[in-house]
Amino acid sequence: GAGVSQSPSNKVTEKGKDVELRCDPISGHTALYWYRQSLGQGLEFLIYFQGNSAPDKSGLPSDRFSAERTGGSVSTLTIQRTQQEDSAVYLCASSLAPSGLISYEQYFGPGTRLTVT
Amino acid sequence: GIQVEQSPPDLILQEGANSTLRCNFSDSVNNLQWFHQNPWGQLINLFYIPSGTKQNGRLSATTVATERYSLLYISSSQTTDSGVYFCAVCGTSYGKLTFGQGTILTVHP
Repeated sequence: GAGVSQSPSNKVTEKGKDVELRCDPISGHTALYWYRQSLGQGLEFLIYFQGNSAPDKSGLPSDRFSAERTGGSVSTLTIQRTQQEDSAVYLCASSLAPSGLISYEQYFGPGTRLTVT
Repeated sequence: GIQVEQSPPDLILQEGANSTLRCNFSDSVNNLQWFHQNPWGQLINLFYIPSGTKQNGRLSATTVATERYSLLYISSSQTTDSGVYFCAVCGTSYGKLTFGQGTILTVHP
């Protein structure tokens, strides 16, 4: 079946502009995650959505970052007033819902490469 | 939060050689995954292995949860195995994966 998809694959923006990144999870996966990969910081968690529960936003680096998930499926990560340090690859993942003591396998999309000039 | 340490950071092999990559973690985990990041940046799932041993072709993995480490074995390496290998774990904060810094593997023909 179809995997996790992300769009756009590449985005170049000027410092100070807002950007929106989109993620379509695997059908049937109720858990959705955003991560980013940058040269200096490696792979780091940003935010986690699970069903109708309040999202875990503990990884968002500043209040310029926000995310929403509409209808329990598609998610959009928004970065306002972009800065050069926001340049990174933004990765989305999805999984079945964690249950009891089990966290299920996460599957990653191809990422969006964001360059802030 | 949970800490993840991978070793070695870099590994250079001749085609056909075997290798072992290690992942140490600092606390109990309910998820451990190994990934291969290909040259285009895609994270390819290799193993979901919070405990026990699994094999898939030339690759196998073992996680000893009580001793807080996991090993990834690559046998008869091929040039297409080159790339970065990541270990990632999920501790008591369900869902969120914490990644190690990766092992950069280069396989020469």
